[in-house]
Amino acid sequence: DTAVSQTPKYLVTQMGNDKSIKCEQNLGHDTMYWYKQDSKKFLKIMFSYNNKELIINETVPNRFSPKSPDKAHLNLHINSLELGDSAVYFCASSRGTDGYTFGSGTRLTVV
Amino acid sequence: QQQVKQSPQSLIVQKGGISIINCAYENTAFDYFPWYQQFPGKGPALLIAIRPDVSEKKEGRFTISFNKSAKQFSLHIMDSQPGDSATYFCAADPGSTLGRLYFGRGTQLTVWP
Repeated sequence: DTAVSQTPKYLVTQMGNDKSIKCEQNLGHDTMYWYKQDSKKFLKIMFSYNNKELIINETVPNRFSPKSPDKAHLNLHINSLELGDSAVYFCASSRGTDGYTFGSGTRLTVV
Repeated sequence: QQQVKQSPQSLIVQKGGISIINCAYENTAFDYFPWYQQFPGKGPALLIAIRPDVSEKKEGRFTISFNKSAKQFSLHIMDSQPGDSATYFCAADPGSTLGRLYFGRGTQLTVWP
């Protein structure tokens, strides 16, 4: 019974391609997030949605577009992938100010 | 601007020793301070958390010490074990209902036998 599941776990793709990462949570949380973890392990927030509404949109290239069809799902679509997009992307969810629950991550490698 | 500053970047401790990781913040609106533990290939997992109305919270071998006046908090791991080897992140939440966390840069802990 995975609480926050994201797919795929690994994604290797060429520069210029478009790809999507999917995330689903079964915790009944009302807020979902996308974080990027770089090679130095720094966790940087990208987006947050609360009940399908975009709340946080950090300084992220507009090639990245989140979509939340319902409050249990938050997907991330990336257009025109660049080498610098290579990282681990984590989905997370929370209820109010309680701690986050993270997914296991998607390792994106752009070649 | 780094909202939460964490040190050290890496820490090597002998089995049975005490591991101490420190964090500092400036924003007095922060009112929730969790610590996360991340193993290789996994997502960060909530380890222990504290709110500023208490100065210490203990769960098993893990203790958070909180100093509100100094705007500092730290994680102590007593009797450190090789299985504790992981990356630890401190974080802080400004208390909105939207759960926005600011993370420290992480500490790579290695516990050797």
